Amino acid sequence: KNEVEQSPQNLTAQEGEFITINCSYSVGISALHWLQQHPGGGIVSLFMLSSGKKKHGRLIATINIQEKHSSLHITASHPRDSAVYICAVRSRNNNDMRFGAGTRLTVKP
Amino acid sequence: DVKVTQSSRYLVKRTGEKVFLECVQDMDHENMFWYRQDPGLGLRLIYFSYDVKMKEKGDIPEGYSVSREKKERFSLILESASTNQTSMYLCASSLFTSGDNEQFFGPGTRLTVL
Repeated sequence: KNEVEQSPQNLTAQEGEFITINCSYSVGISALHWLQQHPGGGIVSLFMLSSGKKKHGRLIATINIQEKHSSLHITASHPRDSAVYICAVRSRNNNDMRFGAGTRLTVKP
Repeated sequence: DVKVTQSSRYLVKRTGEKVFLECVQDMDHENMFWYRQDPGLGLRLIYFSYDVKMKEKGDIPEGYSVSREKKERFSLILESASTNQTSMYLCASSLFTSGDNEQFFGPGTRLTVL
């Protein structure tokens, strides 16, 4: 079993819909990252959080440390949000980064 | 802005060839990383380096070696490429390895070994 599990693996939505991507992890962490990867490969960091909630534009990330769970929400989704979203955690024990397999989001106009 | 660049976006090599993937970062970061990304598996760490001439094995170092002669440059070497090394290779750098420290990624190199 992977240390970082994401769901769903694939997600198709209509423009304007509210999107939720989930991430569960099994190790103690010092930080959790949400990353976005567009077609072509480049990865950019969206959020880095260790507690609570962060918001940037239409994106919201939450984390529940007790439940070892994080969610990434996209409000008023747009076709340009189509990408792979990756959850990654930094292990508190050894500082290693562990990555989820990613969620492929397609937003249709 | 931090910039991490990789020498090639796409590369096609033959089985048995020696392959060099180059990564350069311009923010004086101490740490550099090489990952490979395969469908359904997420990113897996091959090697990382926390200082010039220093290297540590990641989760899947077999079949790979690395070189870090200068702080800004981290090279991944496939001594004898095999078809199972066909993958997307991503380089990253960060200032520190601990805590809430962000990794900055390069654009990736999609390597095909025939």
